[in-house]
Amino acid sequence: GAVVSQHPSWVICKSGTSVKIECRSLDFQATTMFWYRQFPKQSLMLMATSNEGSKATYEQGVEKDKFLINHASLTLSTLTVTSAHPEDSSFYICSARDRLSVEYFGPGTRLTVL
Amino acid sequence: QKEVEQDPGPLSVPEGAIVSLNCTYSNSAFQYFMWYRQYSRKGPELLMYTYSSGNKEDGRFTAQVDKSSKYISLFIRDSQPSDSATYLCAMSAGSGYSTLTFGKGTMLLVSP
Repeated sequence: GAVVSQHPSWVICKSGTSVKIECRSLDFQATTMFWYRQFPKQSLMLMATSNEGSKATYEQGVEKDKFLINHASLTLSTLTVTSAHPEDSSFYICSARDRLSVEYFGPGTRLTVL
Repeated sequence: QKEVEQDPGPLSVPEGAIVSLNCTYSNSAFQYFMWYRQYSRKGPELLMYTYSSGNKEDGRFTAQVDKSSKYISLFIRDSQPSDSATYLCAMSAGSGYSTLTFGKGTMLLVSP
């Protein structure tokens, strides 16, 4: 199956700092990528849809100025959590959709804000 | 009524058992149906992908979709302790900009 990578796999930062998470589709081109967050024992919550070359579409309740998404190429999307606070601590997962509309997920990034 | 209903479990079975996991949905527009396996602290891994109604088999896994009943199933034969994970059903209305709608996931525990 297709491979999606995320970097870093975990990050610890101080409150008020910004953190960037990269998502790459390694063996296919993805015009659409998605960003999710997941709290313990809960299902995935879609944050935003990222389309290559255009602005991301955010789900209701997700602050676009806090969670900056850039989809610079067909294989790379980035999520920047700006001015992170402890309540932003979570598991962030990206996914990429291939040409058959199958969605593959990355391994996730665990963010801890102190 | 939620769009996708999935029993959260946990479902405990002995090694070698046949496991049946199910989801029901209400949106008749759903056409693409997926099953993902998620281990703790990992991203979901795609197991099965089905378009419209029918059966699909891959190794020990069989996916079934019954659109008339709005019911999908995943069967796991000869279950192994390594199958212990949370299984998520997901579905979407189509390609392009449509997003996945997930069930809450069923936790499966396979004991040796």
